[in-house]
Amino acid sequence: EIVLTQSPGTLSLSPGERATLFCRASQTGSSIYFAWYQQKPGQAPRLLIYGASTRATGTPDRFRGSGSGTDFTLTISRLEPEDFAVYYCQQYGSSPLTFGGGTRVEIK
Amino acid sequence: QVQLVQSGAEVKKPGASVRVSCTASGYTFTAYYIHWVRQAPGQGLEWVGWVNPRTGTTTYAQRFQGRVILTRDESLTTAYLELGRLTSDDTAVFFCARGPLTYYDTPYDSFDVWGQGTMITASS
Repeated sequence: EIVLTQSPGTLSLSPGERATLFCRASQTGSSIYFAWYQQKPGQAPRLLIYGASTRATGTPDRFRGSGSGTDFTLTISRLEPEDFAVYYCQQYGSSPLTFGGGTRVEIK
Repeated sequence: QVQLVQSGAEVKKPGASVRVSCTASGYTFTAYYIHWVRQAPGQGLEWVGWVNPRTGTTTYAQRFQGRVILTRDESLTTAYLELGRLTSDDTAVFFCARGPLTYYDTPYDSFDVWGQGTMITASS
């Protein structure tokens, strides 16, 4: 099983600032099978990025996914009020599918 | 529009079973895999398994093997999760989510459409 470790656990930032979220996999997989989700309280997760760097339909271009091998990054260039949420990484290249533990982006 | 609509919250006694439904609309139900994901209160996401709505084939995460059954009813465009021998650790929200096309050579992909979630509470 591929274990995904996200860091930091919590990111305290102000609107307009840049957010950088990290996800490290316990073993190398294909980077094309890596996704990021956003989840707000009481809602289902929403797909932001798939294939490590491809924005899903409706994802604003301030969200950028990058990385390969075991290290992946989600960057939000300028935080908007609606971006404060929890973000999860996911690998879907091998079974079982696994998710990271999440990074909470909160308003400072 | 494409959507997955799940059944309502359930409260069950430990040891009981629960069934959650996930009804698809806005697309061809048999064309995409359906996956299920569990989220305990305040916790992260945990993959449960998938069902191929076209064939009925299933695969389960090891920790749920023997306790979960995924099925589907093509005529109702609905997928079902049944979880047995509930314990308090099963108290969680269960989500269904749409996976890849069933004509792909893999059932694994990112999840582009999610149900709203169903809260299952196992408590005496």
